[in-house]
Amino acid sequence: SQQGEEDPQALSIQEGENATMNCSYKTSINNLQWYRQNSGRGLVHLILIRSNEREKHSGRLRVTLDTSKKSSSLLITASRAADTASYFCAPVYRGYSTLTFGKGTMLLVSP
Amino acid sequence: DAGVIQSPRHEVTEMGQEVTLRCKPISGHDYLFWYRQTMMRGLELLIYFNNNVPIDDSGMPEDRFSAKMPNASFSTLKIQPSEPRDSAVYFCASSEGFGGARGNEQFFGPGTRLTVL
Repeated sequence: SQQGEEDPQALSIQEGENATMNCSYKTSINNLQWYRQNSGRGLVHLILIRSNEREKHSGRLRVTLDTSKKSSSLLITASRAADTASYFCAPVYRGYSTLTFGKGTMLLVSP
Repeated sequence: DAGVIQSPRHEVTEMGQEVTLRCKPISGHDYLFWYRQTMMRGLELLIYFNNNVPIDDSGMPEDRFSAKMPNASFSTLKIQPSEPRDSAVYFCASSEGFGGARGNEQFFGPGTRLTVL
């Protein structure tokens, strides 16, 4: 399968702590995207990092990309209960127009 | 913009019945995607369209599934006949594609929760 694989599958932390999720993928990419899904809702785009970028920030989110290791990480700083959701990485492989979603990381942030 | 609109939000039907799911993409988006999400298989791409033309339907599980996009503002996913194993949440998403300002970021609808008894 060409889908991205997130690690860990589940993560439980306290409010105020940082949460780090990792993603590995298979071959060369155009870009890699991270999405969030709250229970019972559709996915929401968080951030896109291109293959020639190494780090990107958006608010409390920080994404890194290591193309030599074919991996990416999503860091959420100072987490809040509202960050409780599933997080998916979606690599866009070269030559393709589509995203390939993994199974996601379920993040639980307790007050 | 109202975002991607899907209907119905919930559908309960009996095995053997025809089910039609509907999607209105965001205006100006050239790509439309249909996904299915289950606990066992995660999020699967079923089919996608570019400028109303089906590009890749390799994810459609069986001939019982069909999708159409008669115009830029409407698409349907039909299951006929439906089976209990089709129970899942079906999402529609749209994007501008690589050439747009937002690139190929996808915007998802709220989904249709289908239960086949």
